[in-house]
Amino acid sequence: DAGVTQSPTHLIKTRGQQVTLRCSPKSGHDTVSWYQQALGQGPQFIFQYYEEEERQRGNFPDRFSGHQYPNYSSELNVNALLLGDSALYLCASRSRQRTDTQYFGPGTRLTVL
Amino acid sequence: GENVEQHPSTLSVQEGDSAVIKCTYSDSASNYFPWYKQELGKRPQLIIDIRSNVGEKKDQRIAVTLNKTAKHFSLHITETQPEDSAVYFCAASIGGGATNKLIFGTGTLLAVQP
Repeated sequence: DAGVTQSPTHLIKTRGQQVTLRCSPKSGHDTVSWYQQALGQGPQFIFQYYEEEERQRGNFPDRFSGHQYPNYSSELNVNALLLGDSALYLCASRSRQRTDTQYFGPGTRLTVL
Repeated sequence: GENVEQHPSTLSVQEGDSAVIKCTYSDSASNYFPWYKQELGKRPQLIIDIRSNVGEKKDQRIAVTLNKTAKHFSLHITETQPEDSAVYFCAASIGGGATNKLIFGTGTLLAVQP
């Protein structure tokens, strides 16, 4: 039973570029949340997807967008990258019907130069 | 707005001693409180969670207590071991519904000295 997986592991971009991060939820999970974790801080909620729609959003600008596919996998897109977007991006999945528990993926380390 | 405060930011204990990490939440509607352990360069891993209908929960050397009136919850680790060294995060959310964003504390770096 595979856990939450994310790709790529690391990514280096320059200011102004766009990036797409990918997440596959744990088997049996239908809900995916994305979090941004800056160095030395706790994860910050970006948004949550289920049934292929954004259901809840944190305090992040419209440059951050996402998508969920019918197989429950998800993407996080960030446009017009800023230096401050450098962070670890974590994906978490859960089964909406069964539990509140969210399981995290290993994250994607994004560096913006 | 929603906020979770966590103390202390760093904690150093001797192997075998107990460690206590405390959190305070602001949203009185919060009813689900997980604790995550994050080792350097790795994903946060759930170690224990508690719901607001329970005052205390224990799992081997780890326990969590919740005081809804004061909006406080705490993590207790007994008989600490060097492998307990990591950053610990508390979080709060409004669970039981379709959406449940987690609001995290700022983390506690626990160092267990052998």
